[in-house]
Amino acid sequence: NAGVTQTPKFQVLKTGQSMTLQCAQDMNHNSMYWYRQDPGMGLRLIYYSASEGTTDKGEVPNGYNVSRLNKREFSLRLESAAPSQTSVYFCASSEARLRATNEKLFFGSGTQLSVL
Amino acid sequence: GNSVTQMEGPVTLSEEAFLTINCTYTATGYPSLFWYVQYPGEGLQLLLKATKADDKGSNKGFEATYRKETTSFHLEKGSVQVSDSAVYFCALTPNTGNQFYFGTGTSLTVIP
Repeated sequence: NAGVTQTPKFQVLKTGQSMTLQCAQDMNHNSMYWYRQDPGMGLRLIYYSASEGTTDKGEVPNGYNVSRLNKREFSLRLESAAPSQTSVYFCASSEARLRATNEKLFFGSGTQLSVL
Repeated sequence: GNSVTQMEGPVTLSEEAFLTINCTYTATGYPSLFWYVQYPGEGLQLLLKATKADDKGSNKGFEATYRKETTSFHLEKGSVQVSDSAVYFCALTPNTGNQFYFGTGTSLTVIP
């Protein structure tokens, strides 16, 4: 019963390097999300995908791109990493049933990224 | 717009003390409200939720009541344990769309 799986768990990059964070869910959920968590800032939404084939910007999308590869997978790419992107990144998913009123998010265990 | 404001931490309590973490929200319409908990080194997991006014969510001895008149969803527990040490996030999702809005989190440490 894996739920939401993120890889890698830890990553150190140099400024200007690129990388892709991978996320997969096995719950047949429609919606997937990428958040970053910074001290004193809580969770901020980077991008989300309401359904397969769609993606939308969240609160802090600059410097990131995403791909909803299929219903299971939602990747986050940093094209040219900057020290300001040092953070803990969380992927999440929700069932997102039409007109549902009690949706909840399921989170992965996070990726700790340091950009030097 | 939609937003969540929760009390600043960190909070340190002795075992068996009473816990309150305040949370207020701004939202259009009738949002669903949540408390998530994050244990060290882990992702967030749902602690409890409430979907309409006057609903009380409860789980593992924690409770929170959806108060529309005061736009609040305060988290309470009558007797905390060391194992409750974690970061607690208040969150909402509006009744339209599927975005979630989180507070900044409150760190709780319970000492024996």
